[in-house]
This record gives sequence, C-alpha cells and structure tokens, in this order.
Amino acid sequence: GQNIDQPTEMTATEGAIVQINCTYQTSGFNGLFWYQQHAGEAPTFLSYNVLDGLEEKGRFSSFLSRSKGYSYLLLKELQMKDSASYLCALLDSNYQLIWGAGTKLIIKP
Amino acid sequence: DADVTQTPRNRITKTGKRIMLECSQTKGHDRMYWYRQDPGLGLQLIYYSFDVKDINKGEISDGYSVSRQAQAKFSLSLESAIPNQTALYFCATSEGDRDTGELFFGEGSRLTVL
Repeated sequence: GQNIDQPTEMTATEGAIVQINCTYQTSGFNGLFWYQQHAGEAPTFLSYNVLDGLEEKGRFSSFLSRSKGYSYLLLKELQMKDSASYLCALLDSNYQLIWGAGTKLIIKP
Repeated sequence: DADVTQTPRNRITKTGKRIMLECSQTKGHDRMYWYRQDPGLGLQLIYYSFDVKDINKGEISDGYSVSRQAQAKFSLSLESAIPNQTALYFCATSEGDRDTGELFFGEGSRLTVL
C-alpha cells in the first residue's frame, strides 16, 4: 500500500528556519509535491521533486531521498504570512496524487 | 477573477437532498478533478476527468456522481446527501503534462449536511 506521514503541527519563530518532514511508503513513485494551504483557502503549489537532492526556490527549498522514502520542506527567514498548512503529496505509479494530512505551521513573533 | 471558480462557496442542506457543486475554469486545461478535504485527513480524490469524454472514479466515489459538460465545466452531484458528506470540496485542474502534475485549485465549496 501507500502511506504518507508528516507531523500534525509545528511552531517556529519569525525570522527563523523550519524544516517540515514527510516520509512515505509506496510501490511506485513519480514525484513528490509540496503545497501550501492557508486556513480556509485553496492549496497552492510550492515545489516538485522527482530526482534526489535539493531544489531551491527563494526562501523555500525542498529535498528528496527516494531510497529513504523521505522529503523535507525548508522554510528560511520565516514571515508571519508563512503560517499555513503544508501538504506533502506523492505521485504514484498510476500518476495519481496521494496526499498527506498536512502540517500546520504556526509562526510566533 | 479566479481561474478556477466554484459555486456555491457555502451550502447548508438536509439529509436526503440532492446537491450540485459546479466548477468552471478559464485555464484551458483538459484535466479536472474533484476532491474533498476533512480535518486531519489528506485530500481525497472523488472523481477526475482527463477530457470531455473521459470520467474516472477516484478513491471515494460512492455517493457522488459527476458530469463534464464542456472542457471548462465539471460538476459534482450528491444525489441524496448524508451527514458524513459534510466537508470542504475542491475542484482542481491540471495540464496534460504527467511529469509535473501541478494542480490549480478553486476556492472550495463548504458543504454542511444536517
């Protein structure tokens, strides 16, 4: 079967760095996505990794290790507007997205 | 204006009523999806359509039906609503590129079934 795990909630301080982890088990893999979802709003795309390594995009970076079934989203120079849920999603062998439950990130001043 | 528009944004109804949620898009994408989101759970796929003549069941299609009226329109129906269908529903679109699969979501339709 397929399974995605990510922490339910994390707290960080404005200006700091936070790493949100995502682990998965799957029989087939075609990529891993991170989406951001502010409360009451639609998810929006952040990143896509299909090869091992780090993808950097401004303050946000995403890392993938396929052999370990592991990804993380790294957020630098945290701002209050980064308070949101961060959703990890796996693209399986049938090109269907399997979603994690999301990590609620709380930013404190 | 939003590229992916859902109506209604909020709806309260009673058990047994028929409900339709509508989705329209101006992105020109062929692929459209309906998801539901419940607290503490990941997004769950209800139905998806890769073009006007293609309709596929997702992981939780029971109790739901869909219609792809045109490339730009994809509606979700609950023939006889029940309380455990209370959820936030999202429509989404994507291009036909399998390699990225980036989804563009509508603003969501919050449905409450009493």
